[in-house]
Amino acid sequence: EVQLVESGGGLVQPGRSLRLSCAASGFTFDDYAMHWVRQTPGKGLEWVSGISWNSGSIGYADSVKGRFTISRDNAQNSLYLQMTSLRAEDMALYYCAKGVTYYYDNNVYFDYWGQGTLVTVSS
Amino acid sequence: DIVMTQSPDSLAVSLGERATINCKSSQSVLYSSNSKNYLAWYQQKPGQPPKLLIYWASTRESGVPDRFSGSGSGTDFTLTISSLQAEDVAVYYCQQYYNTPSTFGQGTRLEIK
Repeated sequence: EVQLVESGGGLVQPGRSLRLSCAASGFTFDDYAMHWVRQTPGKGLEWVSGISWNSGSIGYADSVKGRFTISRDNAQNSLYLQMTSLRAEDMALYYCAKGVTYYYDNNVYFDYWGQGTLVTVSS
Repeated sequence: DIVMTQSPDSLAVSLGERATINCKSSQSVLYSSNSKNYLAWYQQKPGQPPKLLIYWASTRESGVPDRFSGSGSGTDFTLTISSLQAEDVAVYYCQQYYNTPSTFGQGTRLEIK
């Protein structure tokens, strides 16, 4: 059974940093691209970032480019999102999502999602 | 970015009746070289993450009941639930993956009448 378990969310002040993690199990992790998708009541679902199977190619939404860094550790079956210079508009439920191919920018739909981790940005 | 617009925003349908949700993309998501529409549908129940229902506009994900079907091509797509069951109450989203960034519709809330 595929499982994706996010952690690391919480309350953070504007301008500060936070690191999200996603522990994956139930599939061959390094056979697939992985993604972060966030959800807010106002903006709905938004793809944030994706990383190919071997970390060889990476992409970001324009809204987070230069502030967020995605990474993965295939030995640990883990995905990460380092978020810096956080803004109020980054406040969301962040989902880890499994891609269906090796590459983050190829056939980018998601067949499994975690339960999400909530990031609250407030002073 | 490709803008995805769903209609209606909310929908109430009687049990056993047909439910139809529409999704329109701001540009075509049909890739001519393989004749595939890069369009997926998800179902999200309260307190749960989205669940993949359909990809390539009409291919049902494994385990999804056959009362769910997807149709359309180019810029106009439809998700149909042929006979609404109580467990189908949810918000439904379309998503295009023709371009990066992939983008989602705003969601359609489906309720029981």
